[in-house]
Amino acid sequence: ETGVTQTPRHLVMGMTNKKSLKCEQHLGHNAMYWYKQSAKKPLELMFVYNFKEQTENNSVPSRFSPECPNSSHLFLHLHTLQPEDSALYLCASSQEAGGLVGETQYFGPGTRLLVL
Amino acid sequence: AQSVTQLGSHVSVSEGALVLLRCNYSSSVPPYLFWYVQYPNQGLQLLLKYTTGATLVKGINGFEAEFKKSETSFHLTKPSAHMSDAAEYFCAVSRGGADGLTFGKGTHLIIQP
Repeated sequence: ETGVTQTPRHLVMGMTNKKSLKCEQHLGHNAMYWYKQSAKKPLELMFVYNFKEQTENNSVPSRFSPECPNSSHLFLHLHTLQPEDSALYLCASSQEAGGLVGETQYFGPGTRLLVL
Repeated sequence: AQSVTQLGSHVSVSEGALVLLRCNYSSSVPPYLFWYVQYPNQGLQLLLKYTTGATLVKGINGFEAEFKKSETSFHLTKPSAHMSDAAEYFCAVSRGGADGLTFGKGTHLIIQP
């Protein structure tokens, strides 16, 4: 596989469930990102990892818990979500965050999450 | 702080007509500017970006954008629209650090036959 892959593509969960979203990049990049895309709102940056270290948490509620075991994999653990958390969750990667030039971010297809 | 404003949530043009999607930004530092396109049920794909150098940037699929610092704008254009251009277009700004991208709300481009 090439590029950035995300699984599952669709997820329905209840408010008491625990689930995880997975992202894998096959580009040899060192930085990975989670974004949330809600209807009628701009894409929102959630988390940034650079060389496996979290460098940004954009005021995300604790019911979202990221994990980056290595530079190729990124997880988003979900627990006790609310219906307003229903959205498309996009993963992206770039060569390195914090560089001197604008790094191109490469996006996965997203996981469409519905919280009931 | 950075922000991006995309004027018009929906833009409709006829096939073969000029496409103009507007983007204005605010940034406290010299910005890096991006246009991404999103087709239904897909992730975002980079169309073009401005970092330094030439202010007129050419991208994929015949699109181009011009960085105008005095107007804080980075409008996207294509001389002749094609039906396959129908999609959601996002303008984004970055400071180049570990801030990720700040996106506009997006513009849905509709192509009329």
